[in-house]
Amino acid sequence: GESVGLHLPTLSVQEGDNSIINCAYSNSASDYFIWYKQESGKGPQFIIDIRSNMDKRQGQRVTVLLNKTVKHLSLQIAATQPGDSAVYFCAETVTSGTYKYIFGTGTRLKVLA
Amino acid sequence: NAGVTQTPKFRILKIGQSMTLQCTQDMNHNYMYWYRQDPGMGLKLIYYSVGAGITDKGEVPNGYNVSRSTTEDFPLRLELAAPSQTSVYFCASSDRRGFQGGYGYTFGSGTRLTVV
Repeated sequence: GESVGLHLPTLSVQEGDNSIINCAYSNSASDYFIWYKQESGKGPQFIIDIRSNMDKRQGQRVTVLLNKTVKHLSLQIAATQPGDSAVYFCAETVTSGTYKYIFGTGTRLKVLA
Repeated sequence: NAGVTQTPKFRILKIGQSMTLQCTQDMNHNYMYWYRQDPGMGLKLIYYSVGAGITDKGEVPNGYNVSRSTTEDFPLRLELAAPSQTSVYFCASSDRRGFQGGYGYTFGSGTRLTVV
């Protein structure tokens, strides 16, 4: 069974609805951000990224918003599907720095049929 | 293309035992990392390496050791296992592009370690 993520904040959404997952990042110097998706028993996988010179970036069914003023990221998933059920992490880095990412705590997304 | 391969997938250790978690990547990435993931917590960096022969401590290095003799391999050593080391361990790798746009890290599938 999965022990990772049992105590994480959980967002439950109805299938077909839109999901919004939020993340507060820590370093005001961070200039590159990624959202990862982690399914049960697997390592995190890249979903979408955004640079600090952008406020918004869209992918397929996903949109990332960046608010540098308050150091906040959000991930929007349109028309949420059962396959979107997972734990979602944001990660930040300074691209001129030491090649490390700092990860947020994560949010569990549960899609209700 | 296998990406990042971690072995074993599961392991139970007794307190005081030692073990090595293996990590191999076939993408010729310079940068490799070990993270641990505890329930309800994010990923915490244990050690990292920016190239063969170069390693450095992350946020939570105590109780662990690493080596990087080749570009491909980055094993993590637990010398005296303690219950506090019960966790899921992820190895990851990247090249410079992973920090300048594209995909970030490539993660392995993890090793679930229980110390009893």
